[in-house]
Amino acid sequence: DVKVTQSSRYLVKRTGEKVFLECVQDMDHENMFWYRQDPGLGLRLIYFSYDVKMKEKGDIPEGYSVSREKKERFSLILESASTNQTSMYLCASNYPAQDTQYFGPGTRLTVL
Amino acid sequence: KQEVTQIPAALSVPEGENLVLNCSFTDSAIYNLQWFRQDPGKGLTSLLLIQSSQREQTSGRLNASLDKSSGRSTLYIAASQPGDSATYLCAVRLSGTYKYIFGTGTRLKVLA
Repeated sequence: DVKVTQSSRYLVKRTGEKVFLECVQDMDHENMFWYRQDPGLGLRLIYFSYDVKMKEKGDIPEGYSVSREKKERFSLILESASTNQTSMYLCASNYPAQDTQYFGPGTRLTVL
Repeated sequence: KQEVTQIPAALSVPEGENLVLNCSFTDSAIYNLQWFRQDPGKGLTSLLLIQSSQREQTSGRLNASLDKSSGRSTLYIAASQPGDSATYLCAVRLSGTYKYIFGTGTRLKVLA
């Protein structure tokens, strides 16, 4: 079974802190994605990566950056957390040819 | 700009009822469409994926159809059970990209 894990289920941070969210997949998937999910807005793509060190901006990249140094690991970085970044963050991965996305359990981030 | 809409936002049905969830999208230039299930506070689980050249896919009690020309997909759930209670999301992959656009979901409650 494909497994996508995220470093924390719940996280509370203060405004201005640098925040790291980590995602690890165990299926050698080329593609990895970071989404945020907010009530009434659905899932919105922040960044995705199609290979090691390769990344592309999604629809809402402002205030975020990403790092993919190894194929299995994709990190989302909030450079200076703000209250409007309070959200559920979901990581996903897949093979480009297979297309079915596999999601992690999510990290609920609260920024105070 | 592609928009994905799911109506209704919430639905309650008695156990045993057959039901249909709707998904509409504004741009027919899609590569495929996926239906997902999300349990409260959890990540998404892929249910069915329909390629743009296909008309429908089936898995157990679930059947998803796709009409690209009209920009519509339906998810049919036969003989609903309380365990089907969850939020159901559809997502379209845009042609020529790895990007997926998600609907905001239909929250289904099946009453015992």
